[in-house]
Amino acid sequence: EAGVTQSPTHLIKTRGQQATLRCSPISGHTSVYWYQQALGLGLQFLLWYDEGEERNRGNFPPRFSGRQFPNYSSELNVNALELEDSALYLCASSLEGTGGLAEAFFGQGTRLTVV
Amino acid sequence: KQEVTQIPAALSVPEGENLVLNCSFTDSAIYNLQWFRQDPGKGLTSLLLIQSSQREQTSGRLNASLDKSSGRSTLYIAASQPGDSATYLCAVCSDSGAGSYQLTFGKGTKLSVIP
Repeated sequence: EAGVTQSPTHLIKTRGQQATLRCSPISGHTSVYWYQQALGLGLQFLLWYDEGEERNRGNFPPRFSGRQFPNYSSELNVNALELEDSALYLCASSLEGTGGLAEAFFGQGTRLTVV
Repeated sequence: KQEVTQIPAALSVPEGENLVLNCSFTDSAIYNLQWFRQDPGKGLTSLLLIQSSQREQTSGRLNASLDKSSGRSTLYIAASQPGDSATYLCAVCSDSGAGSYQLTFGKGTKLSVIP
């Protein structure tokens, strides 16, 4: 069974540009989570999508946005890129509707570098 | 607001030694606690999931315990091997308000097992 897959693996963008990151969850999982892991800061929660809806959002500016498609895959968009957006972006998926009991499985991440 | 602390931040042990990694959290009202492993520049691999009603979980040489009332968890690794070298992350799932919940991560313990 395929795990959580993310693309691209690496992405280099110029300050002010937009970046689009993609995530495909494990088959049967309806929830997708996005995290940012910047150097020295640990994993910071970005967004949670379930059944196509945004369920929760972390403490990030509105230029971080995303969506979930009918097949449960997800996109994370970062507009007006800043140098401090350089980080490893991790996507996770889980079965939902279980009141927080579900195990989360992570992808290998997208390394975004803003120059 | 949930906060997760992991100590020590780094640990170096000789091969074959048994070791304990510590995780503490500030809000004991959690749904579950998960231990992950992260290799440099890679995604997270789920090691063990402990539901809030459980006291411990075991997988091979790994044993994780949970004391929800005191806000603590430990990950015990028996007979450590060089392949265990990685960063170990603890995450708790708890309410984030408005019927939503999220995983909050510690900053991890970087383990080096010396041959």
